[in-house]
Amino acid sequence: TAGITQAPTSQILAAGRSMTLRCTQDMRHNAMYWYRQDLGLGLRLIHYSNTAGTTGKGEVPDGYSVSRANTDDFPLTLASAVPSQTSVYFCASSVTRGQGNEQFFGPGTRLTVL
Amino acid sequence: GQNIDQPTEMTATEGAIVQINCTYQTSGFNGLFWYQQHAGEAPTFLSYNVLDGLEEKGRFSSFLSRSKGYSYLLLKELQMKDSASYLCAVEDSNYQLIWGAGTKLIIKP
Repeated sequence: TAGITQAPTSQILAAGRSMTLRCTQDMRHNAMYWYRQDLGLGLRLIHYSNTAGTTGKGEVPDGYSVSRANTDDFPLTLASAVPSQTSVYFCASSVTRGQGNEQFFGPGTRLTVL
Repeated sequence: GQNIDQPTEMTATEGAIVQINCTYQTSGFNGLFWYQQHAGEAPTFLSYNVLDGLEEKGRFSSFLSRSKGYSYLLLKELQMKDSASYLCAVEDSNYQLIWGAGTKLIIKP
């Protein structure tokens, strides 16, 4: 069982360019999340989705957009990358949002914006 | 504001016991999670506490006191593979996880 996959593993991106980080899960989880992890800070929620067709903003949504066309996929798009978006990005999923459900994480995408 | 505090780094000896503390101030409380994260890898779930008291799971135990806004993760019989960061996270009243910065645990032989 693959669980959650993310692509690419790492990427170097020029400032001002756009990029989509891909995330796919095969657990039929309803809820999905995008986090960024920066040194010295806790994981910060960018966007989430309670179920296919719905999305919501997290703590740090500016500069990012998401879509949830189906249960399995939850891509994150940076429309015009800036150096402050250099980070490790984790996609996660859970059976439902909240209620003590553990979140399962993908392997992460390491993004460097120059 | 919402805040999760954990020590930045701890060192312990192989075979020993270590306690990692977490204090929190959040908008509501729907439970507290502990995750383990090895360097360069994804976080993985360790434990979940929603009621006061101790939850034991093999070598790992997690304690919660809601009145004190306090939790700890207890690791017994430490092994070298336990070298990792340990992340404390609280689910707030909006069902969002608020994460601490993590505690890096270094195990020495």
